[in-house]
Amino acid sequence: AQKVTQAQTEISVVEKEDVTLDCVYETRDTTYYLFWYKQPPSGELVFLIRRNSFDEQNEISGRYSWNFQKSTSSFNFTITASQVVDSAVYFCALSEAKRAGGTSYGKLTFGQGTILTVHP
Amino acid sequence: GAVVSQHPSRVICKSGTSVKIECRSLDFQATTMFWYRQFPKKSLMLMATSNEGSKATYEQGVEKDKFLINHASLTLSTLTVTSAHPEDSSFYICSARRGTGRNEQYFGPGTRLTVT
Repeated sequence: AQKVTQAQTEISVVEKEDVTLDCVYETRDTTYYLFWYKQPPSGELVFLIRRNSFDEQNEISGRYSWNFQKSTSSFNFTITASQVVDSAVYFCALSEAKRAGGTSYGKLTFGQGTILTVHP
Repeated sequence: GAVVSQHPSRVICKSGTSVKIECRSLDFQATTMFWYRQFPKKSLMLMATSNEGSKATYEQGVEKDKFLINHASLTLSTLTVTSAHPEDSSFYICSARRGTGRNEQYFGPGTRLTVT
């Protein structure tokens, strides 16, 4: 069974601080995908990144960066110089890669989410 | 990017009535759509996987007779909450998977259901 753990329930920072959101996952699959989503108060999920299990390169996109460590089954997300608009719930998620005849391909297992509050 | 819509965005209904929620992929064909449920301040839990032209696959613990899913076309899946009860009040989110070879999934904006 797949499992995603986001141990940090809530994080509060002051604007311009850097913040790292942790994500640890469990899976028996050798090929899988990892995701991060942002859910602002409006409720709509905003896609941030997808990472294939074979690609362990870290990625940077503006103020966002992701650190994928397969050896520790972690996929952490860092926001640099946080802003008030970054306040939201952030979810880490895992899905299996395509499997021949599989009916569950694509379904996401979400972590519990981390509520990030950035104060001015 | 791909767009997925949900209708209605909010609905209030009385106990015992049924409510239908639509999920549409607006600019791509989705052979598979997923329905998730989210309680306040909680994570998203997959309810079922909806495949076009076949029966939905429900997750353990989800009552298929209560949550009816129909995926009649490549752009539309519907979730009907039958005989709604207050405990069915929740945020329901659908997602659509684009293509069969890629694991790109796009989420709808969600539907907030309140059963009184």
